[in-house]
Amino acid sequence: QQQVKQSPQSLIVQKGGISIINCAYENTAFDYFPWYQQFPGKGPALLIAIRPDVSEKKEGRFTISFNKSAKQFSLHIMDSQPGDSATYFCAASMMERPGGGNKLTFGTGTQLKVEL
Amino acid sequence: NAGVTQTPKFQVLKTGQSMTLQCAQDMNHNSMYWYRQDPGMGLRLIYYSASEGTTDKGEVPNGYNVSRLNKREFSLRLESAAPSQTSVYFCASSGADRAGTMNTEAFFGQGTRLTVV
Repeated sequence: QQQVKQSPQSLIVQKGGISIINCAYENTAFDYFPWYQQFPGKGPALLIAIRPDVSEKKEGRFTISFNKSAKQFSLHIMDSQPGDSATYFCAASMMERPGGGNKLTFGTGTQLKVEL
Repeated sequence: NAGVTQTPKFQVLKTGQSMTLQCAQDMNHNSMYWYRQDPGMGLRLIYYSASEGTTDKGEVPNGYNVSRLNKREFSLRLESAAPSQTSVYFCASSGADRAGTMNTEAFFGQGTRLTVV
């Protein structure tokens, strides 16, 4: 059962363009929605995250848009650079569960390639 | 600050062999996790330990066992490896805020690439 659905599977964007990756979730108990960036041969690293009490969060060129009613969230990478070429994973978890840990449910990933 | 350290980085096993993947974190985190990553499937939770002394099954626990050795270390054991367990395995850890009311972000190790032939 795929609780977090991610699209597209792969994406090619020109340098300077906008990369957009979308995710949808099913479990309304999720209260934390991070995006992880993974380079080949490395572990995932947290890129940016959002809680459901806000509709948008921006950090530099990276923005998360969150639509609670639609149970969807997306990552926008502005002015995409070749160095952004990586695999991106959306995820969801329940942060406000003290003692329960931060168990992440991941999307299937998007391979982003930014071309010159 | 090393973060989350996994050993080994690569391993090839024959079907039926056993092995233990080691993980250690130096961030004083309470919770630790084992995920596996397969092409087109993202990362899936195998087992986790919410706190020292406790372990629980995740989404795909069959064929694995875990041990929370102490607060720093969490190992994953394959008793009788199968080709279906060929994957990249990631260990992660997370903590809690000062009040203990909310979990914090998860940090991942560099992964162990396991091939079972």
